[in-house]
Amino acid sequence: GQNIDQPTEMTATEGAIVQINCTYQTSGFNGLFWYQQHAGEAPTFLSYNVLDGLEEKGRFSSFLSRSKGYSYLLLKELQMKDSASYLCAALDSNYQLIWGAGTKLIIKP
Amino acid sequence: TAGITQAPTSQILAAGRSMTLRCTQDMRHNAMYWYRQDLGLGLRLIHYSNTAGTTGKGEVPDGYSVSRANTDDFPLTLASAVPSQTSVYFCASSGTSTGELFFGEGSRLTVL
Repeated sequence: GQNIDQPTEMTATEGAIVQINCTYQTSGFNGLFWYQQHAGEAPTFLSYNVLDGLEEKGRFSSFLSRSKGYSYLLLKELQMKDSASYLCAALDSNYQLIWGAGTKLIIKP
Repeated sequence: TAGITQAPTSQILAAGRSMTLRCTQDMRHNAMYWYRQDLGLGLRLIHYSNTAGTTGKGEVPDGYSVSRANTDDFPLTLASAVPSQTSVYFCASSGTSTGELFFGEGSRLTVL
């Protein structure tokens, strides 16, 4: 079966760095997405990786290892506004998105 | 730019009643999707449409129907609502098969 695993909840301190991991098992693979979702709001796109390696976009970076079925989202210089759920989703061979349940990130002052 | 507009924002519905959730996009995206989001679960795909005139079933299609008469509109209908359909429903669109999804603000539906 197809599956995405990510931690349910993480806590970090304002100004620090946090890494949110995601492992996936899919029938074929056409890339991995990260979305941010604030409470009561719609998900918004953060990143898309299809090749191995790290992609940096400001304070946020996303890493992919296709051979390991593994990705992480790295958030630097955490701000209170980064408190949100972070959704990992893999695109399978039929270009259907398989979603993880999301990681709720709590930022403490 | 409005992007994707969903209506209603929230609704309380008696079991057995029918309901249509509306979704309109102004980005001329070919692909549109309906998801439901429940606490502790990932987004689950209900139905999708890769282009106007075509629709397909997702992971949890039972009890729901969709139509795609044109590029912009993708309504979701519950023919006879049941309490297990209580959820937050998100409509989304995408310009390409590997492109990012743009989501509407969501419709919170409570079936009593």
